[in-house]
Order: sequence, then structure tokens, then C-alpha cells
Amino acid sequence: AQTVTQSQPEMSVQEAETVTLSCTYDTSESNYYLFWYKQPPSRQMILVIRQEAYKQQNATENRFSVNFQKAAKSFSLKISDSQLGDTAMYFCAFMKPLAGGTSYGKLTFGQGTILTVHP
Amino acid sequence: DTEVTQTPKHLVMGMTNKKSLKCEQHMGHRAMYWYKQKAKKPPELMFVYSYEKLSINESVPSRFSPECPNSSLLNLHLHALQPEDSALYLCASSLRPAGPQEKLFFGSGTQLSVL
Repeated sequence: AQTVTQSQPEMSVQEAETVTLSCTYDTSESNYYLFWYKQPPSRQMILVIRQEAYKQQNATENRFSVNFQKAAKSFSLKISDSQLGDTAMYFCAFMKPLAGGTSYGKLTFGQGTILTVHP
Repeated sequence: DTEVTQTPKHLVMGMTNKKSLKCEQHMGHRAMYWYKQKAKKPPELMFVYSYEKLSINESVPSRFSPECPNSSLLNLHLHALQPEDSALYLCASSLRPAGPQEKLFFGSGTQLSVL
């Protein structure tokens, strides 16, 4: 079974600064996908960034980037130029393809990190 | 329209009541999902519908009964629930049954309280 661990229950950062959220995972699979989701107070889950395990290049999406270390099974999220709207719960998630190449949306989530951005 | 709409936003029900949660999307997505999220916990998958057919049931108790009457609509029928079923129920959809390349679109959820 896959497990995803987020060791930081809460973090805070000043507006415009950079913050890194940690995530480690455990799997015996070689082909899988990793995600960061954001859940603001509105409670809607929003995909922040996605990384395919077979790609060595780290994914980036505007102010969001990841540091993917496959051997160490680490997948951290860096948020640059933090904004007040980044305040949310952040979930790291894992998905592996089932036979046939589809995963039916079964995401295994970590416990989440509450990020607060202060003005 | 890139929204998944869930109604109602809040629901309070007794253990003997029957109620339904509704989820709607008009993005042409053919896969729809129900997740359950307890307070300050991650979401947990309950059901997956693929092309209007139930493809995954994560051993959910029979007091939860999903229904997908058409490709735009997903219901969750509730009957004889327990207080521990109180949670946020999230609906999601994707264009196709989710390979990892598929982006899941989530609704804002229904906050359910069982008294």
C-alpha cells in the first residue's frame, strides 16, 4: 500500500516571501504520479501542480514549483512570492496507474499542511 | 462552464431520515466521483462512475447509495446514517476515467451533519 506523509501540520509565511512544504511517500511502484492540491476556506479542492515519476525535470506552474527526489521518495512544494490568497490547506497526493493505464481517480492523500500567509 | 456544482451546501438530518446530495457538471466529463472528508483530514474516495456506470465502490456501507442518471448528474442517496457519517462530501469529475493525466475538478462540497 502507498502512504503519503506530510510532516508539517502548520506553517506560516510573510507575504512576498518563499515557503517550502514537505512531502514524502512510500511505494514499491516505479510508475506513478504525484500532485499537490490546495483547499482554501471555500473547501474546494484545487489542483496546484502535477509531476510524473518518469520525468526527471521538476514541474513548475507560475509561482509554484516542486523538488522531486525519486530515490529519496520526496516531493516538496515551493511557493514563491507568497500571496494572501495562498492561505489554504495543502495536500500532497499519490496516484498509481492500475492495469490498463487508468487509475480511476484514486488519490492517496497526505494529512495536509495548513499554510497561513501573513500580510 | 468549468464548475462542479453541489447542492445543498449544508444538510442536517436525523438518523431515520432519507436525503439526497446532488452534483452537476456541464463540461462533458464522463467520469464522476464521490469523496468523503472528515474535519481536518484528507478526502477519501467512496465511489467512481465511468460512463454512467459504477466502476469503483470503496467498500462503502449500503446506507450510502450512489446514482448516475445521466452524464451530467451524480446523486448520493442517504438513508439511516450514523452520527459518524457527519462530514464534507465532495464531488469531482474528469473528462475521462482518470488516468493521472486527467485533471479532477472538485465541487465545494456538502457539509453533512447527522444528529
